[in-house]
Amino acid sequence: EPEVTQTPSHQVTQMGQEVILRCVPISNHLYFYWYRQILGQKVEFLVSFYNNEISEKSEIFDDQFSVERPDGSNFTLKIRSTKLEDSAMYFCASTRAAAYEQYFGPGTRLTVT
Amino acid sequence: GQQVMQIPQYQHVQEGEDFTTYCNSSTTLSNIQWYKQRPGGHPVFLIQLVKSGEVKKQKRLTFQFGEAKKNSSLHITATQTTDVGTYFCAAKILRSNDYKLSFGAGTTVTVRA
Repeated sequence: EPEVTQTPSHQVTQMGQEVILRCVPISNHLYFYWYRQILGQKVEFLVSFYNNEISEKSEIFDDQFSVERPDGSNFTLKIRSTKLEDSAMYFCASTRAAAYEQYFGPGTRLTVT
Repeated sequence: GQQVMQIPQYQHVQEGEDFTTYCNSSTTLSNIQWYKQRPGGHPVFLIQLVKSGEVKKQKRLTFQFGEAKKNSSLHITATQTTDVGTYFCAAKILRSNDYKLSFGAGTTVTVRA
């Protein structure tokens, strides 16, 4: 069964450094998402991406964040200058159509020290 | 922004007992989805409800969408240890152009054997 994959599984970085989190969505899906989950808290929407552009973003997704689909398979989330409060699990998700079920990747645990 | 409220936050259940978790919105929902997240895992899609008053069953799980499409419930009968995890409802808000899911805070279920 096709699945969303994410790399790395765990990323440790120093405050102020740039990080890129990578995702490979399911191949025939058209909508892509990033969510984050601070430990013990709910899943929070960051951004959605469709047709090579951002379709929606939350207030969390400020100028420090960017997303890109550099080729036909990868979907990346970049944080330019990480802060301590960026420490969280970051989930990528994809779906073949808006409001259909979303398939989540296993997540990348980001730890900012 | 639009929020989906979910109660209870925690549910401690004796194995074999039933329980229900509820999801409420102040606005009409076009659909509602339910996800399960096992400890240390990622959200996994369970079901989507679209129609007013819709009821769907998956083995011991019964999902219901309210007549006004403003609330939903998940009822689990004869709880088993495999039911441990956090159950999230997630909604796409009607009359919005959002391509995102608004997650509830989740109900974390623990089971006493």
